[in-house]
Amino acid sequence: GNSVTQMEGPVTLSEEAFLTINCTYTATGYPSLFWYVQYPGEGLQLLLKATKADDKGSNKGFEATYRKETTSFHLEKGSVQVSDSAVYFCALRSGAGGTSYGKLTFGQGTILTVHP
Amino acid sequence: DGGITQSPKYLFRKEGQNVTLSCEQNLNHDAMYWYRQDPGQGLRLIYYSQIVNDFQKGDIAEGYSVSREKKESFPLTVTSAQKNPTAFYLCASSIDRQEPGNTIYFGEGSWLTVV
Repeated sequence: GNSVTQMEGPVTLSEEAFLTINCTYTATGYPSLFWYVQYPGEGLQLLLKATKADDKGSNKGFEATYRKETTSFHLEKGSVQVSDSAVYFCALRSGAGGTSYGKLTFGQGTILTVHP
Repeated sequence: DGGITQSPKYLFRKEGQNVTLSCEQNLNHDAMYWYRQDPGQGLRLIYYSQIVNDFQKGDIAEGYSVSREKKESFPLTVTSAQKNPTAFYLCASSIDRQEPGNTIYFGEGSWLTVV
């Protein structure tokens, strides 16, 4: 079945540091890949997505490239801010059919804390 | 504003009680989902529904029930059979479940605590 593995957290950075959160996946077919962000006590917000190999998703300075050859979708940001402190989830979605039935499969989440 | 509304935000349940969490969306989405979030475990799918009057079990459906009588509404009942119900519950929707590139949108969540 589908699975997503994120780097172990938590991650603590100083403001303006470079961020990488690793994400690798296992899936059949051609899944779409997503990064969601969750601020304390809130639901999940879509941060970015990529729907096919070599696509780059980007939003708010964050980027991730869909690498089919390495089955990865690492999240990066060149200069983090205190306001980026949150939990980040990598997820994939296969089409309906089989056992995946179009659901999102999530990684376990990575807690990011950015200090001034 | 379009979106997904969950209520209540916080709910306390006594042992042996059933409780129902509300989820309403005005996005005209066909597919709706319920996820459970526990610390350090990501999100796990409880139930999903593709169309009105149809729903399917997800990965952890035991102790939960749902209904889908209207397109915009997908309430979740946490029954007394659910042995460890304390968690954060998230409702979600998407325009359909056939196309993997379609985004799944989430509500703000409901905290359920057993007392």
